[in-house]
Amino acid sequence: DQQVKQNSPSLSVQEGRISILNCDYTNSMFDYFLWYKKYPAEGPTFLISISSIKDKNEDGRFTVFLNKSAKHLSLHIVPSQPGDSAVYFCAAGRDRNYQLIWGAGTKLIIKP
Amino acid sequence: DTGVSQDPRHKITKRGQNVTFRCDPISEHNRLYWYRQTLGQGPEFLTYFQNEAQLEKSRLLSDRFSAERPKGSFSTLEIQRTEQGDSAMYLCASSSWDRGVNYGYTFGSGTRLTVV
Repeated sequence: DQQVKQNSPSLSVQEGRISILNCDYTNSMFDYFLWYKKYPAEGPTFLISISSIKDKNEDGRFTVFLNKSAKHLSLHIVPSQPGDSAVYFCAAGRDRNYQLIWGAGTKLIIKP
Repeated sequence: DTGVSQDPRHKITKRGQNVTFRCDPISEHNRLYWYRQTLGQGPEFLTYFQNEAQLEKSRLLSDRFSAERPKGSFSTLEIQRTEQGDSAMYLCASSSWDRGVNYGYTFGSGTRLTVV
């Protein structure tokens, strides 16, 4: 049972445009969500998080939106830059102290 | 502090051999996690420690797998009698857990295991 799903294995976006990465979850007990970015041969690095008491969190070019009723979150990157090309994972957890459940990742390719 | 360190970065072993990986977490972190990641998948949770206590193990952690964190600092993950299906990236992460809140969840670069 995949509790966290990233349905797009890859996404290609023109440099300067907005990148939107999507993530769906099934467990309504999740109350903490994170996005991680992973380059080849490196471990995932933390990007941005959001707790269920919020519906938006912004950090520079990165904004995460949470729609609890739809059990959906998205990561917006604007403007997209070539260095943003990586695999993006979303992860979800409960109570901020439980082990995280991860999506399969979306490979983002920024075209110059 | 150089973050979470994992050793070795790559390991090639013959089927049936035993392998051991090491993880050195961020020094002030009290929680340490092991994950396995196969191609095209997100990390799958294996087990985690709070200090030296192993608090949870996934059903993915078969009898051939054992993890230790003897002094609450570094951890080792051993796989006995390796099988080709064990080929994966093994990721370690650490965090600081305090009064119900997890801070600074950080991953290492992983150990890539290839069983031939």
